Amino acid sequence: EDKVVQSPLSLVVHEGDTVTLNCSYEVTNFRSLLWYKQEKKAPTFLFMLTSSGIEKKSGRLSSILDKKELFSILNITATQTGDSAVYLCVHYSMDSNYQLIWGAGTKLIIKP
Amino acid sequence: GEEVAQTPKHLVRGEGQKAKLYCAPIKGHSYVFWYQQVLKNEFKFLISFQNENVFDETGMPKERFSAKCLPNSPCSLEIQATKLEDSAVYFCASSHWGAREKLFFGSGTQLSVL
Repeated sequence: EDKVVQSPLSLVVHEGDTVTLNCSYEVTNFRSLLWYKQEKKAPTFLFMLTSSGIEKKSGRLSSILDKKELFSILNITATQTGDSAVYLCVHYSMDSNYQLIWGAGTKLIIKP
Repeated sequence: GEEVAQTPKHLVRGEGQKAKLYCAPIKGHSYVFWYQQVLKNEFKFLISFQNENVFDETGMPKERFSAKCLPNSPCSLEIQATKLEDSAVYFCASSHWGAREKLFFGSGTQLSVL
């Protein structure tokens, strides 16, 4: 059965710190891995990763995929209180009729 | 529109009553997904549509849940005879045919069954 495991489940850091969120996956037919940010309500799309070793960046956020070791990381540098959210790692499976396989999320709290 | 619009934002029903939720996907998006999120836990897939056709309904509790996406109308998710455990936030998301997995989410409908 395909699954996505995120760690840590929660993380508290101070403003200005750098954080690394982890996502490992076990999938039978990889297509893509995605990161979403969920604050109070709807998740918002951050990154979609399909190729190993190519870093995607957006401002202070970056992400990379390792298809050999089956994991991805999401880095946030110089964290701000607005980065507080749940970060969700999602695999898109070509099995299971193209369903998204969701991780449980990492709850990130940034203290001022 | 430029965003996924879900209505209502909140819905309160007594156990056994019917609940109907609506979703207008982003214009030009071919796929619509419904997810259930209970108490900020994992997203439970319910059903997906490709245009007005059901694409995958493996997550739907078929006895009480039904959904439609008709042309020129918002998509809908209906729960007959709601139960306490149906209390959750129901998210609708849409995506473009060229990037099915890049979902754009609505702000959700909070359903409370009392």
